[in-house]
Amino acid sequence: QVQLQQSGAELAKPGSSVKISCKASGYTFTSYYISWIKQTTGQGLEYIGYINTGSGGTNYNEKFKGKATLTVDKSSSTAFMQLSSLTPDDSAVYYCARDVYYGLLGVMDAWGQGASVTVSS
Amino acid sequence: DIQMTQSPTSLAASVGESVTITCLASEDIYGSLVWYQQKPGKSPQLLIYGATILEDGIPSRFSGSGSDTQYSLKINSLQPEDFASYYCQNGLSTPRTFGGGTKLELK
Repeated sequence: QVQLQQSGAELAKPGSSVKISCKASGYTFTSYYISWIKQTTGQGLEYIGYINTGSGGTNYNEKFKGKATLTVDKSSSTAFMQLSSLTPDDSAVYYCARDVYYGLLGVMDAWGQGASVTVSS
Repeated sequence: DIQMTQSPTSLAASVGESVTITCLASEDIYGSLVWYQQKPGKSPQLLIYGATILEDGIPSRFSGSGSDTQYSLKINSLQPEDFASYYCQNGLSTPRTFGGGTKLELK
């Protein structure tokens, strides 16, 4: 079955970076894009962007440009998101999700378990 | 960006009751509306896409409707496992935007 396994919780200092991984299994990795989503109690769900797992092409929400960098390693069926210049506002649970397209409709049909990032000095 | 406004933000109901959650898009999304369910401590799960299409394995007591800018999710005959948070999402354009969520609680 389709599974997205994310890396574990991170505790990071302000100004540092973290890199979260998302390992896919149960399907052909390069046939689906991977999206990334941020969830906080205050802001709810926010869409960060997606990566074309075949070409490595990316599309970012303007809000997260310069903050998030999406990459992929096809050999290990793993997508990555690096968050840089961390501030306490980046503390959140980050999800990866598999993208399915029905025409123009983009749907996230499988989600990772989430990776908690806490930014604190 | 397309803004998605959900209502109510919270809702209390009893097992067996029916409830409806609404989602309003800031512009026409041509039926490209997605609903997710999220239980505490878990990741969101796809329920409905294309406004009305039930994802495989989702019980038929869940249904979606709507068009243009107005959409709704109806849950008939609530079961104990349905008490969770529900989110709508714009599936038409990027960035994909989400509603603020509706927390369905047991009365």
